[in-house]
Amino acid sequence: EVQLVESGGGLVQPGGSLRLSCEASGFSFSSYSMNWVRQAPGKGLEWVSHISSSASVIYYADSVEGRFTISRDNAKNSLYLLMNSLRAEDTAVYYCARGEYSNCFDSWGQGTLVTVSS
Amino acid sequence: DIQMTQSPSTLSASVGDRVTITCRASQSISTWLAWYQQKPGKAPKLLIYKASSLESGVPSRFSGSGSGTEFTLTISSLQPDDFATYYCQQYNSYLFAFGPGTKVDIK
Repeated sequence: EVQLVESGGGLVQPGGSLRLSCEASGFSFSSYSMNWVRQAPGKGLEWVSHISSSASVIYYADSVEGRFTISRDNAKNSLYLLMNSLRAEDTAVYYCARGEYSNCFDSWGQGTLVTVSS
Repeated sequence: DIQMTQSPSTLSASVGDRVTITCRASQSISTWLAWYQQKPGKAPKLLIYKASSLESGVPSRFSGSGSGTEFTLTISSLQPDDFATYYCQQYNSYLFAFGPGTKVDIK
């Protein structure tokens, strides 16, 4: 069974940093692209970042470009999101999601809440 | 950037109703479109990929159609478990934009 488990969320002050992790199991992690998607409270889904299976291709949404860094460790079956210069508008539940069928998202974690507030 | 729109934003329906949700892209995305269902407090669930392909395990009352810029998700006979919010998503270009969502609630 495919499992994705996010961790690392919490309360952080504006301008601060946070590192999210997503631990994968039940599939060959190194064969799949991965993504981060977020959802602000009461709002819709927003794609944040994509990383290819070998980490050779990386994309970011304009709203996080230059502040967030996606990475992965295939030996540890783990995906990461380093978030710097956090703003109140980054407050959201962050989901990791597996890319399948040419990059739609077929499996999702349960999400981790990031709250940016003083 | 490709922008996605959905209509309606909210839909009130009864069990057994046929329900149709429309998604439009600001430029052609061929059939690179997915549909997701999300219930409160839960992660989204993939229903349809490549515009019309049913994800494994998804009931056959769900179907998708369309190509280019206009797409539809149809639920042939609405069931109690189907009351949720539905999102479309394009994956033709790397920005992977989602639509704003359509909430299906009980009439």
